[in-house]
This record gives sequence, structure tokens and C-alpha cells, in this order.
Amino acid sequence: EPEVTQTPSHQVTQMGQEVILRCVPISNHLYFYWYRQILGQKVEFLVSFYNNEISEKSEIFDDQFSVERPDGSNFTLKIRSTKLEDSAMYFCASSQQGIRNQPQHFGDGTRLSIL
Amino acid sequence: SQELEQSPQSLIVQEGKNLTINCTSSKTLYGLYWYKQKYGEGLIFLMMLQKGGEEKSHEKITAKLDEKKQQSSLHITASQPSHAGIYLCGADRGDKLIFGTGTRLQVFP
Repeated sequence: EPEVTQTPSHQVTQMGQEVILRCVPISNHLYFYWYRQILGQKVEFLVSFYNNEISEKSEIFDDQFSVERPDGSNFTLKIRSTKLEDSAMYFCASSQQGIRNQPQHFGDGTRLSIL
Repeated sequence: SQELEQSPQSLIVQEGKNLTINCTSSKTLYGLYWYKQKYGEGLIFLMMLQKGGEEKSHEKITAKLDEKKQQSSLHITASQPSHAGIYLCGADRGDKLIFGTGTRLQVFP
């Protein structure tokens, strides 16, 4: 069964450094998402992306965050200058159509640790 | 208060027992999704409910959405150790899912 893949599985970075998290969504999916989960807390929405532009973003997704679909297969989340509070598990998800028609399928996540 | 409340927060059951997890929304649910998360791993899609009164089953798991579309329940029949994990309900809010607080399920032999 097709799945969403994320790399790396674990990323350790010094505070203030840039980090790029990578995702390969399911191949025929058109909608892409990033969520994060701070240890012991809820899964929180960050951003949704469709037709090469952001459809919606949360308050968390400030100017330090950006997303890109650099080619036909990858979907990336960049954090420009990481902070300690960015430490979390980051999940990528994709869906074939918008949420109200098809479920989102999630990757296994990237655990980001900021030192 | 949370937009989506799940209860109970945690559940420990003996193998073979039935159990129910509830998810209550402060707003009308236009789509309700159930996911399972194993510790430290990704979310696995279980079921999607969209219509008031809808009920879906897969293997030993049944999910229902009430007629008023503000509450959903997930019922597991004859629980097994493989059912252990964190169950999350997620509400469709346009271009995003809003998740509940999660219910941690442990099943012991």
C-alpha cells in the first residue's frame, strides 16, 4: 500500500540553525499538510498546501517557517532559525482530494530536537 | 476548554474485554476522523464519518457519529494486545484537521 515517507526520522540541531524536513507524499495525492506534536501534547496543524500555494496556516506557522514543493515528488518544511520550543515530532500528511472528501494519510514523522 | 475532548484520557483493559472511547466537539462536526498512533510513530487512519447517525466497522472496531453531529464514539470488541496505542479523533475544519487530546489504551493479557 502506498505510504507517506519522511526523512530524516530524527534530526538534532543547534538553536539558531536552519533545518529542512523532507516528505514524499503518496504519488497521486494533491493536498499536503504539516502537523507537529510536542511531547505529551496534542497533534497541532501547521500548514496546508495545494496547487503550489499555502491554503491555510496556523498561528504557529510564522515567518520562520516555510514550505516548498521543489519537484513533483518532495514536500519540504523549512525552519529558518530554530528555537528550543521547536523541538517536537513533525508529521507530513497528504490526501487525494480536500479533507471533506478523502482522509489524510500521515508519515511516521521526524523527531526534531533543538539543543 | 478544548474544541475536541476525548474521554477517557487513558484506559487499561484485560484482553478480550470491550471498550468505548468518546470524542465530543464544541462545534458541529462536518467530518470526524479516527486515527491510531503507536508510541513515537505516525498516525494510522482508521475511519471517517461524515453523516449524522453514520456507523462504520472494520474488523473489531466500530465508530459512530451521533445524529446531532457533535459526538463520536469508537468501540472495540474483544480487545487484543494489538489494539494498544493512542486513539485520536480529528475534526474536519476546512483545510485542516483539529485533533482531540487522545486516549491511551493498554491491553493486558
